[in-house]
Amino acid sequence: AQSVAQPEDQVNVAEGNPLTVKCTYSVSGNPYLFWYVQYPNRGLQFLLKYITGDNLVKGSYGFEAEFNKSQTSFHLKKPSALVSDSALYFCAVRDMGSPGNNRKLIWGLGTSLAVNP
Amino acid sequence: GAGVSQSPRYKVAKRGQDVALRCDPISGHVSLFWYQQALGQGPEFLTYFQNEAQLDKSGLPSDRFFAERPEGSVSTLKIQRTQQEDSAVYLCASSLGRDPLSEQFFGPGTRLTVL
Repeated sequence: AQSVAQPEDQVNVAEGNPLTVKCTYSVSGNPYLFWYVQYPNRGLQFLLKYITGDNLVKGSYGFEAEFNKSQTSFHLKKPSALVSDSALYFCAVRDMGSPGNNRKLIWGLGTSLAVNP
Repeated sequence: GAGVSQSPRYKVAKRGQDVALRCDPISGHVSLFWYQQALGQGPEFLTYFQNEAQLDKSGLPSDRFFAERPEGSVSTLKIQRTQQEDSAVYLCASSLGRDPLSEQFFGPGTRLTVL
């Protein structure tokens, strides 16, 4: 079965320090991986995705993610955290087992990122 | 431009009541998704529309849940005889094309509380 794990419920980091939010996955075929962010009282926003190609994917707001096939990981990173990055981050994988073109996302439980000034 | 909107933003229902949740996707978006997000959890897929066709409803938890998108734009998620376990945030998302790998744009959600 397809699954996504975000092993940390919460990540705390000081402003200006690098941040990493971890994600591991399990799929039967090729993984299509996504990161979304959820700010308080706002809808989920797309950050970036990995489909194929370069293992380092760059996305919105200075975030990037590194796809590691051998470790089945897709960790989200940012070189220098901002207080405004504090939010809930979700990793998701496309379920290639769904029929036809109706492929749904399987979501992790989310990681709460707190960036302290 | 306008994003995905959902109404109402908050809904309190007594157990046994029927509720209807509305989603207005981005104009021209072909694909529309409904998700259920319980407190402290990630979104759980409910159903998917491509235009007016409901192509996947495998995530609907029971036959009390029903979704429609009759004209291929606005969608309504209806829950009949609500139960306490239905309490959650219901998220709607749309994407431009039929490509299952394209970015989904989410609405702010409807928080349903069943007493």
